[in-house]
Amino acid sequence: GAVVSQHPSWVICKSGTSVKIECRSLDFQATTMFWYRQFPKQSLMLMATSNEGSKATYEQGVEKDKFLINHASLTLSTLTVTSAHPEDSSFYICSASTSGGTYEQYFGPGTRLTVT
Amino acid sequence: KQEVTQIPAALSVPEGENLVLNCSFTDSAIYNLQWFRQDPGKGLTSLLLIQSSQREQTSGRLNASLDKSSGRSTLYIAASQPGDSATYLCAVEGGATNKLIFGTGTLLAVQP
Repeated sequence: GAVVSQHPSWVICKSGTSVKIECRSLDFQATTMFWYRQFPKQSLMLMATSNEGSKATYEQGVEKDKFLINHASLTLSTLTVTSAHPEDSSFYICSASTSGGTYEQYFGPGTRLTVT
Repeated sequence: KQEVTQIPAALSVPEGENLVLNCSFTDSAIYNLQWFRQDPGKGLTSLLLIQSSQREQTSGRLNASLDKSSGRSTLYIAASQPGDSATYLCAVEGGATNKLIFGTGTLLAVQP
């Protein structure tokens, strides 16, 4: 089956620093990748959609200058949280799709970010 | 704007019971609906995907149904086991993009 990995699985950083999270599709080419965040005991909220070689499309209320997304290849997308603050602490999950159409998304295991 | 709701928010049952989880959505113009399982602190495991033209899908002890016109889906789990304990999320995909809109989740605890 399609496998998506994320790295790191958890990270602790100090307030004001930046942290990068990687999302990789290991055995397929992902035309589209999605980034979600999940607060404790809440559901997943879509942050942005990225297509390989294009700028990401951000959901309403998500600061694009704070959450930088790069989808430079068909197997890798990165999310950089810039100038992190404690309120950015969350569980970040990526997913990958083989098409921009209605195809199944394959989810990564998530990254737990804690900002101190 | 699509909204997805799951009832109940939490459910505790003894091992062996059959149970039903409910999912409702406000906009019936969907491409598909998926049920996921999430263990604490982990990512999502896809359980079943129902295309909009389908009525149900089955996998092992799981059966998911879809009534698009009424905006409802159910996930039926037969003969529940303690290993089924997790949060179950439904998500719908619709419109011109393949964005998934997630429900609020049902936290299931199966007591041995």
